[in-house]
Amino acid sequence: DADVTQTPRNRITKTGKRIMLECSQTKGHDRMYWYRQDPGLGLRLIYYSFDVKDINKGEISDGYSVSRQAQAKFSLSLESAIPNQTALYFCATSDRTGFQFFGPGTRLTVL
Amino acid sequence: KQEVTQIPAALSVPEGENLVLNCSFTDSAIYNLQWFRQDPGKGLTSLLLIQSSQREQTSGRLNASLDKSSGRSTLYIAASQPGDSATYLCAPTGTYKYIFGTGTRLKVLA
Repeated sequence: DADVTQTPRNRITKTGKRIMLECSQTKGHDRMYWYRQDPGLGLRLIYYSFDVKDINKGEISDGYSVSRQAQAKFSLSLESAIPNQTALYFCATSDRTGFQFFGPGTRLTVL
Repeated sequence: KQEVTQIPAALSVPEGENLVLNCSFTDSAIYNLQWFRQDPGKGLTSLLLIQSSQREQTSGRLNASLDKSSGRSTLYIAASQPGDSATYLCAPTGTYKYIFGTGTRLKVLA
């Protein structure tokens, strides 16, 4: 079984819809992250969390929110999706050394 | 703000060659630096993590070095194979935030 799983893997939605992307991990790590990847821009950090009660904004948090429901679960929400949020979204975890493990990604298309 | 540059952006080599991928970063106040590979349409696979106090790390045919003072890291791949074809990303981290380069797209020809 994969250590970091993301659901859904693909999603097509319309402008204005609320979308939730979910991430679960079995690695027992406290630290979890959400990134988006766009062609030519690389990966950019959206939010990160170092434990259940800790939520921090990353480089590009506008238009997104997160929830850390448990140590193993970290979800990303787009309250009102817009076309420029079309991207590949990755969840990651890390141990205290900083070694990151990534999920397989969610491809989101906003029409 | 940390800026990360990876050179070259793309590289095509015949199988068996030894090669070097470069990563430079503007803020030397980092805790560590990680190298990843990404296959097309897939997630990232962690390759090596170098802590700021270390100079290099090795894993199999891969060797990564770090020179914090000059803001540089290199990933050395020995005896390249077609299966090494992927995009390689470096990510220095400071204040717990990872900043990624845009990667080097490597193609190893059989």
